[in-house]
Amino acid sequence: EAGVTQFPSHSVIEKGQTVTLRCDPISGHDNLYWYRRVMGKEIKFLLHFVKESKQDESGMPNNRFLAERTGGTYSTLKVQPAELEDSGVYFCASSQSGTSGGKSPTQYFGPGTRLTVL
Amino acid sequence: GEDVEQSLFLSVREGDSSVINCTYTDSSSTYLYWYKQEPGAGLQLLTYIFSNMDMKQDQRLTVLLNKKDKHLSLRIADTQTGDSAIYFCAESRYSSASKIIFGSGTRLSIRP
Repeated sequence: EAGVTQFPSHSVIEKGQTVTLRCDPISGHDNLYWYRRVMGKEIKFLLHFVKESKQDESGMPNNRFLAERTGGTYSTLKVQPAELEDSGVYFCASSQSGTSGGKSPTQYFGPGTRLTVL
Repeated sequence: GEDVEQSLFLSVREGDSSVINCTYTDSSSTYLYWYKQEPGAGLQLLTYIFSNMDMKQDQRLTVLLNKKDKHLSLRIADTQTGDSAIYFCAESRYSSASKIIFGSGTRLSIRP
């Protein structure tokens, strides 16, 4: 079974430019999450999709960040315009819905996209 | 509030046991996790424990949970060089909005 994939693995852009990160969750996982780790600090939650709906976007830092999950499959996270403090590693995770029938409650993480804003 | 704290660094000799400690503040935590991140790699789920359990063992890994003190630990027996990584303690409530709250990570280094 393929894991969570993210693209690109690295992105270097200049302040003021736009960047779009993509996440492909594990097939069949309704839940999709975005997290980021800035400057070696803790990994912080950004938002949570259930299928195509935003369930919780309390972690989104400001309106320069826009996440979408059209069709409930892959998701994109756009940063426009990028600022220096947006540099970090952006992780995507996915999980199954519910815990009945032996389903795991755990979130499976992708390898992350390292974003550097100069 | 929600906060997870862990020490930043741990150095152990190869073959010894490593113990990584973590404290959390959310008394509503349902699941507690240990994730591992190797250099250049993503986050790998090592193990998780339900909040109604005291201990979970999986091969070289032992997780201990003291719910009263909100203290979680990860013990790695017979530590090997391949265990060098950053270990993240994390918790979640697992409801319909089951975000995971992470600590800052403990960097484990192995001495020969």
